[in-house]
Amino acid sequence: AQKVTQAQTEISVVEKEDVTLDCVYETRDTTYYLFWYKQPPSGELVFLIRRNSFDEQNEISGRYSWNFQKSTSSFNFTITASQVVDSAVYFCAGYNFNKFYFGSGTKLNVKP
Amino acid sequence: DTGVSQDPRHKITKRGQNVTFRCDPISEHNRLYWYRQTLGQGPEFLTYFQNEAQLEKSRLLSDRFSAERPKGSFSTLEIQRTEQGDSAMYLCASSLANRDTEAFFGQGTRLTVV
Repeated sequence: AQKVTQAQTEISVVEKEDVTLDCVYETRDTTYYLFWYKQPPSGELVFLIRRNSFDEQNEISGRYSWNFQKSTSSFNFTITASQVVDSAVYFCAGYNFNKFYFGSGTKLNVKP
Repeated sequence: DTGVSQDPRHKITKRGQNVTFRCDPISEHNRLYWYRQTLGQGPEFLTYFQNEAQLEKSRLLSDRFSAERPKGSFSTLEIQRTEQGDSAMYLCASSLANRDTEAFFGQGTRLTVV
């Protein structure tokens, strides 16, 4: 069984602040992929980042960075210097056996 | 636009009516997925196709739900005798089978059952 927990229901920040979204992915599988998706009000899920379970190297891509720690099952996502356009619902997801398992999402409000 | 297309974007129906949604995947994608997203929750897997074959169905897909992909291109999701609990966003996604983690999602069909 797969379980994705996003404990933060809603976060509000002021523009230019950094914000970290938390995710815990629990599974007994040794091979899996982890993702972060963004869902703006239009409804479409927009792919942000993907990580496989063998790669714990943290990375930065533009204003996005992520921290994967297999030992704690955490896959956190940071937006640096947030912008109003970052306001959306962010979903953490795992992928295995031909399907995605999504968390319940974190709504991010970035205020000007 | 060469992304995943879903039609209609919004549907309001009375309880007990049948509804059908359509999904057009990215043209070369042989995998097609359906997910359901209720308010305040993340999407949940319903079913997926590889070409025209329906390879897996979730227990969420009750007997009132049926999905087809007759020619391995577009897919339809039908809900018979709709109930208020069916109100949700229905999302479609597509991918190549050998690159299944690179799935692209459509904008969804929002169903409201009144």
